[in-house]
Formats: sequence, structure tokens, C-alpha cells
Amino acid sequence: DAGVTQSPTHLIKTRGQQVTLRCSPISGHKSVSWYQQVLGQGPQFIFQYYEKEERGRGNFPDRFSARQFPNYSSELNVNALLLGDSALYLCASSFRGGADTGELFFGEGSRLTVL
Amino acid sequence: GQQVMQIPQYQHVQEGEDFTTYCNSSTTLSNIQWYKQRPGGHPVFLIQLVKSGEVKKQKRLTFQFGEAKKNSSLHITATQTTDVGTYFCAGVNNAGNMLTFGGGTRLMVKP
Repeated sequence: DAGVTQSPTHLIKTRGQQVTLRCSPISGHKSVSWYQQVLGQGPQFIFQYYEKEERGRGNFPDRFSARQFPNYSSELNVNALLLGDSALYLCASSFRGGADTGELFFGEGSRLTVL
Repeated sequence: GQQVMQIPQYQHVQEGEDFTTYCNSSTTLSNIQWYKQRPGGHPVFLIQLVKSGEVKKQKRLTFQFGEAKKNSSLHITATQTTDVGTYFCAGVNNAGNMLTFGGGTRLMVKP
């Protein structure tokens, strides 16, 4: 069975541009969470979607948005990119949503570099 | 908001030595999870602890959840080079906030 898949794996953008990152959860998982991991730090929670509804939002500006599709895949959009948005963006799927997700299964991540 | 702190940030050990990382939360947790991230990789789930004072073992790894459910530890006995990576704790507080990760402890093992 395929694990969590993310695309693209690497991308380079310039300040002010917009980016869309994609994630496909493990088959049967209805919850997708997005995390930002800056080099040398722990993952920071951005969003969680469960059954196509937003279930949680972290402390990120409105430039960050996300959505979940009927097939449970998800997109993370970041507008007006800043240098500080350079990070590894991790998608994690789980069977349950809400605070008690149980085990999170992470994808390999999308490494975003903003120049 | 909820904060989860880990110490130490880095730990160098000789292969065969023991290793412990500590996790402390600013709020009482309903449960705590531990993940391992190899260099260049993604976090991989190790375990979840739910009960106050709970102790769980996985081969050479021992996980503890404090009595007050505000702290946790991971102890590795007789480290091996395959243990290299960053170990993260992640907690869910009783207010239902989403899983909050600590800053991680990076373990380096000298053969």
C-alpha cells in the first residue's frame, strides 16, 4: 500500500510568489494535517482537515490556506511568499481527526526555498 | 498557548552508552506521542502514552509518562549507530489543541 505522497518534493520560489503543495493520504485515512518544519526545529502545526472540513488552525497568517477534496487529498497554498517561509512542509494523514488523531503518518515533505 | 520543551537539544554518545531525552509541557496533556526523524527523512511514529505514570518498552527504548501528565522521557539503552536521528515528543492538551511538537533532541552516536 502506498504511504502518504507529497508533491512537489523540492521547489524554489521568489519573494511575493504563490505556491501550492499537494498531499495524498494513506487509503482509508480521512484526516490530513499540514506542518511546517524549519531546519533544526520541530514541526509546527498549520492546518488539519477531516472529512473535508477544517478542524484546526495553527498560529499562521492568512497567507496560508488549505483545502481537502472529496477523495481526501489536500492542498496547501501560501501567498505572497516571504524568505521566512523557506521550510520543509510536511503532510500527515491519520484515520481520526480532531485533537486525538492517534498515530500520524508523515509524507516525505515538500522542501520550499524562497529566494 | 501550549508549549512543549525538550532537553537536551543535542547529545553525542559513544556507541553502547545510554541516552535519555526529556519532554516538558506547559499544560497537562491528555496523551503524548514520540517520533523519530532520521537525517533528511520525515518523522516516524514510535509510540503513544495515555495513562498517568505509564511506562512502555520497545526493545532498547523505554518511554515514560509522568504522574502529572506534564512530562515524558525516552531512554535508549546501549545506543547503536542506527539510533542516530532527532527524537520528538508531541503532546495533545486537555483543551483539545492539536498535536504540538517539541523542538527535538538530536542524537549522534560515535561508532
